[in-house]
Amino acid sequence: AQTVTQSQPEMSVQEAETVTLSCTYDTSENNYYLFWYKQPPSRQMILVIRQEAYKQQNATENRFSVNFQKAAKSFSLKISDSQLGDTAMYFCAFIETSGSRLTFGEGTQLTVNP
Amino acid sequence: DGGITQSPKYLFRKEGQNVTLSCEQNLNHDAMYWYRQDPGQGLRLIYYSQIVNDFQKGDIAEGYSVSREKKESFPLTVTSAQKNPTAFYLCASSISPDYSNQPQHFGDGTRLSIL
Repeated sequence: AQTVTQSQPEMSVQEAETVTLSCTYDTSENNYYLFWYKQPPSRQMILVIRQEAYKQQNATENRFSVNFQKAAKSFSLKISDSQLGDTAMYFCAFIETSGSRLTFGEGTQLTVNP
Repeated sequence: DGGITQSPKYLFRKEGQNVTLSCEQNLNHDAMYWYRQDPGQGLRLIYYSQIVNDFQKGDIAEGYSVSREKKESFPLTVTSAQKNPTAFYLCASSISPDYSNQPQHFGDGTRLSIL
C-alpha cells in the first residue's frame, strides 16, 4: 500500500521569506502523480501544484515550486515570497497512474507571520 | 460556474439517528469521493464511485453508506453504527478514473456533530 508522510506538523515563516515543506512517499510503482493541496481556514481544498513522475523537470506555479527527487521518493514544496494568504494546512497527495484514489499525507500547518 | 455543492454546512445528529450529507456536482465528472477529516489529521477515504450505479469502500467505510443513482449526485449516509461521527466531511470529484493525473475538485465540506 502507498503511504505519504509529512514529517512537519507545523511550520512558520515571516512574510516575504521562503519556506519549504517536506513530503516523502512509499510506492513500488514507477508511474504516478503527486499533488500539493492547500486548505486555508475556510476549509476549502485548493490544488496548488502537481508533478508527473515521468517528468524530470520540477513543476512550478508562480511562487510555488517543487523539488521532486524520484529516487529518494521525496516531493517538497517551496513557497517563495510568502504572503499572509499562504497561511493554511498543506497536504501532499499521491496517486498511481493506474490508480483510482488519492493517498494523502497528514498535513503541515503553515503560518505566515507579518 | 461549475463546482461541487455540499449541504448542509453544519449538521447535528442525535444518538441512534441516521443522517445524510448531500454532494452535487455540475462538472460532468465521472468519479466522486467522500473523505473524513479529523482535527490535526489528513483526509481519510470513506467511499468512492467511478461510475453511476457503482461504488467501492475506502479505508473507513464502516458505519457509512452511499448511493450513486445519478452522475451528479453522491450522497453519504452516516448511520447509527458509526459511533464517532463528529468530523469534517469533504466530497470531491474528478473527471474520470482513467485520468489519474487530473486533480480532484472539492466541495466546501459539512461539519457533523453529535447532540
